[in-house]
Amino acid sequence: AQKITQTQPGMFVQEKEAVTLDCTYDTSDPSYGLFWYKQPSSGEMIFLIYQGSYDQQNATEGRYSLNFQKARKSANLVISASQLGDSAMYFCAMREGNTGGFKTIFGAGTRLFVKA
Amino acid sequence: KAGVTQTPRYLIKTRGQQVTLSCSPISGHRSVSWYQQTPGQGLQFLFEYFSETQRNKGNFPGRFSGRQFSNSRSEMNVSTLELGDSALYLCASSTGTGISMNTEAFFGQGTRLTVV
Repeated sequence: AQKITQTQPGMFVQEKEAVTLDCTYDTSDPSYGLFWYKQPSSGEMIFLIYQGSYDQQNATEGRYSLNFQKARKSANLVISASQLGDSAMYFCAMREGNTGGFKTIFGAGTRLFVKA
Repeated sequence: KAGVTQTPRYLIKTRGQQVTLSCSPISGHRSVSWYQQTPGQGLQFLFEYFSETQRNKGNFPGRFSGRQFSNSRSEMNVSTLELGDSALYLCASSTGTGISMNTEAFFGQGTRLTVV
């Protein structure tokens, strides 16, 4: 079963507008971490934002915020005031495990296109 | 501060051969993870090492193996290469293991392996 689901293969947004990238996850562990990464066409993966399963408040990092709805198991990324440089692949990831070992599972990604 | 370095960047191998990929983490990082990225399967977790110990392994055949040295550098080896092993292999380092913020992964630019 898919543990991380990103249902939007591609998204378009107008420059300076906000956009929400969806992510749902599945885990039975009470402790987990959720991450979003950006992968530009150059290939490197860039960390954007983190949300811990016990964090009470939604994470924010500059123009990025994470809309964390624990009961619905969703962790959507909101990018405000989109810029042309935001055009890239975006991956949602979940880290889970225990002292015996941890692993990070990635979603299939959403390709974001920012239009001028 | 130097980033994660992966060598080589590009590699072409023949079916049946074996290959070794190298990853030098950011100085001070003790955790190294490996991922395989393909257009069809996306990003898949291979293994994670922390302080020279394999902490977890993904669902890959035994042809895929790895190790970590005392200086935290890591290598992964794929034996008896198959056409389906063609992929971008990404290495990521972090300061620790677990699920907290400090497991934010810093990725290298990857090694693109082509099996012909």
